[in-house]
Amino acid sequence: DTEVTQTPKHLVMGMTNKKSLKCEQHMGHRAMYWYKQKAKKPPELMFVYSYEKLSINESVPSRFSPECPNSSLLNLHLHALQPEDSALYLCASSQDLRSSYNEQFFGPGTRLTVL
Amino acid sequence: SQQGEEDPQALSIQEGENATMNCSYKTSINNLQWYRQNSGRGLVHLILIRSNEREKHSGRLRVTLDTSKKSSSLLITASRAADTASYFCATAKIQGAQKLVFGQGTRLTINP
Repeated sequence: DTEVTQTPKHLVMGMTNKKSLKCEQHMGHRAMYWYKQKAKKPPELMFVYSYEKLSINESVPSRFSPECPNSSLLNLHLHALQPEDSALYLCASSQDLRSSYNEQFFGPGTRLTVL
Repeated sequence: SQQGEEDPQALSIQEGENATMNCSYKTSINNLQWYRQNSGRGLVHLILIRSNEREKHSGRLRVTLDTSKKSSSLLITASRAADTASYFCATAKIQGAQKLVFGQGTRLTINP
C-alpha cells in the first residue's frame, strides 16, 4: 500500500468551530508532514513529525495544533481559524528523516474553507 | 524565503511536443526533486537528483542539475494530454535536508 489518505476531502467551518483533519499511511514511514497550499502557489511546510515526535514547527499560529497518536496517523486540530486560513492542506510521509534522499508521498489533501 | 524559482510560470504546447521547465535556487543543496500536481490534488514525486549527479532519466522524463549555476531543468518528451498538470521543483538543503522548499511551479497544458 503506497497510499496516503486524508479525511475529510472538503471541510467548511466557521471561525468559532473546532475541527480536525486526519491523515493515515500504512507504508511504515516514520516521518510525516503537514503542508498548506493556497491557490496557484506552492505547498508551504507547516509541521514535521519524526518517530511520532514534533521535529519542525515552521512558526505556525497556535490555532493549528498537530498531533501524531501513532506512527500511521497524523492529525491537525483546528480552532478559531481565520478566513485567510482557507487553503488545501496536504499531508505527506517519507521513510524517515535520517536520509535526506527520501521522496515524500502526498495525500490528496483537504480543501478547507473558513467562513 | 522561497528557495526555488521556476520558469516559465505557464507553458502550453501541442501533444507530442517536448516540454522543458527550469528551476533556479539560491543556496547549496543536498538534492533536488520534481513533483507533479494535477489540479487541486496531492503531489506525485517524479524524480530526485542528488547534488553530485548531473543528469537523470525516468521514462519520458530527463532532469539535469547544474550546481555551479544553481539550476535544474525537467524535460518531458513526446508529451501527452495526461501530462497536463503543475510541476514543482523542491530543494533539500544540506543543513535540514528533510525540509523541502518548493518552487513556484510551472503550469503545463498539453493541447490535443
